[in-house]
Amino acid sequence: QSALTQPPSASGSPGQSVTISCTGTSSDVGGYNYVSWYQQHPGRAPKLMIYDVAYRPSGVPDRFSGSKSGNTASLTVSGLQAEDEADYYCSSYAGSNNVIFGGGTKLTVL
Amino acid sequence: QVQLVQSGAEVEKPGASVKVSCRASGYTFKNYGINWVRQAPGQGLQWMGLISTYNGNTVYAQSLQGRVTMTTDTSTNTAYMELRSLRSDDTAVYYCAREDCYSTSCYAFDVWGQGTMVTVSS
Repeated sequence: QSALTQPPSASGSPGQSVTISCTGTSSDVGGYNYVSWYQQHPGRAPKLMIYDVAYRPSGVPDRFSGSKSGNTASLTVSGLQAEDEADYYCSSYAGSNNVIFGGGTKLTVL
Repeated sequence: QVQLVQSGAEVEKPGASVKVSCRASGYTFKNYGINWVRQAPGQGLQWMGLISTYNGNTVYAQSLQGRVTMTTDTSTNTAYMELRSLRSDDTAVYYCAREDCYSTSCYAFDVWGQGTMVTVSS
């Protein structure tokens, strides 16, 4: 299984919105509604931001939202804040109890 | 509070084995599966596999089949990941992560350990 495809970088100014894509296949992203997104600051463990495509765990700001169309999932961060600058990873269920991650996107707040 | 605490950094020679522990606290250990994820320096996340803390069933990533073993000790609420025949490209931070099939999703990891750096070098 190949990693899911994410753009290596994304950026936006404070207050703006930015969308990060995550492209897979019909065997993973397109086949199941089990896409998650994680935020990782340097030297820290990842943090779950979105699960099952569009659901936010308790405590995650509603500025973070997720969606999916076909084989591509997306994470949108609205009202960008300085603390949103981090690496973001998508993941998807890929069948047979396997999980696959994307390569990661470095989000820069200008 | 709910947390996963991992063992400390390890340095191993090529061909050796390493065993990383992950001790859970603040919740009922047997109700939530444990996944292992690694991250090579400057690289992305790689899912390694999962273990059911309820019955010990395991699923391993195909790329690691035959080299990895995941176990649990329910008497101490601890999960273990052993990786054998270490190579230089196994150098990475290894994370344990909980999956919560009740509140979030079986395929999303809501609680993570702090990570264990494993360095493979001669």
